[in-house]
Amino acid sequence: AQSVTQPDIHITVSEGASLELRCNYSYGATPYLFWYVQSPGQGLQLLLKYFSGDTLVQGIKGFEAEFKRSQSSFNLRKPSVHWSDAAEYFCAVGAPNNAGNMLTFGGGTRLMVKP
Amino acid sequence: GAVVSQHPSRVICKSGTSVKIECRSLDFQATTMFWYRQFPKKSLMLMATSNEGSKATYEQGVEKDKFLINHASLTLSTLTVTSAHPEDSSFYICSAPNPGQGSDTQYFGPGTRLTVL
Repeated sequence: AQSVTQPDIHITVSEGASLELRCNYSYGATPYLFWYVQSPGQGLQLLLKYFSGDTLVQGIKGFEAEFKRSQSSFNLRKPSVHWSDAAEYFCAVGAPNNAGNMLTFGGGTRLMVKP
Repeated sequence: GAVVSQHPSRVICKSGTSVKIECRSLDFQATTMFWYRQFPKKSLMLMATSNEGSKATYEQGVEKDKFLINHASLTLSTLTVTSAHPEDSSFYICSAPNPGQGSDTQYFGPGTRLTVL
């Protein structure tokens, strides 16, 4: 069975500082990997996804993530955080080649941004 | 991008009543939709897979008689919480893959917050 771990429940960074949110997964092969953001009162928004190919993936809002097979990780990064990035971030995995597959989510990381 | 809506966004009901939550794909057709439940400060847990024209597939531990799912059309799935109790209070989220965008990408609705008194 697949599983996702986000080791950091809360992270606080200063505005303008860099950010890295950790995600580790457990899966028998290379899964499909996703990062979603959930702002208060809003639905989940897809930031980026990795299916195959280049292991460094660019997403929206200046986010990127790097797939590292050897570490079973898919960490999310941003060079300079903005106050509007404060939200809950979820890493998720899905089984490849399963059309319309359901996702397994990590526990989430709540990001707070200090002025 | 694809849009998924949910209605209502928030509902408060008395214990023992039933509540229906709708999930619609607004600009695409979805033969499959997923229902998740999110507890406060917790992650999303998959409840069931809704299949258009056939029975839903429930995850282990989810009571199918309590959480009735109907996928009546290619754009609508409903989740009915029957005989709701306070422990059913939660945030319910649906999602659907959009084949036009790559079926492995889920688009999520904004969620429905259910409070059972």
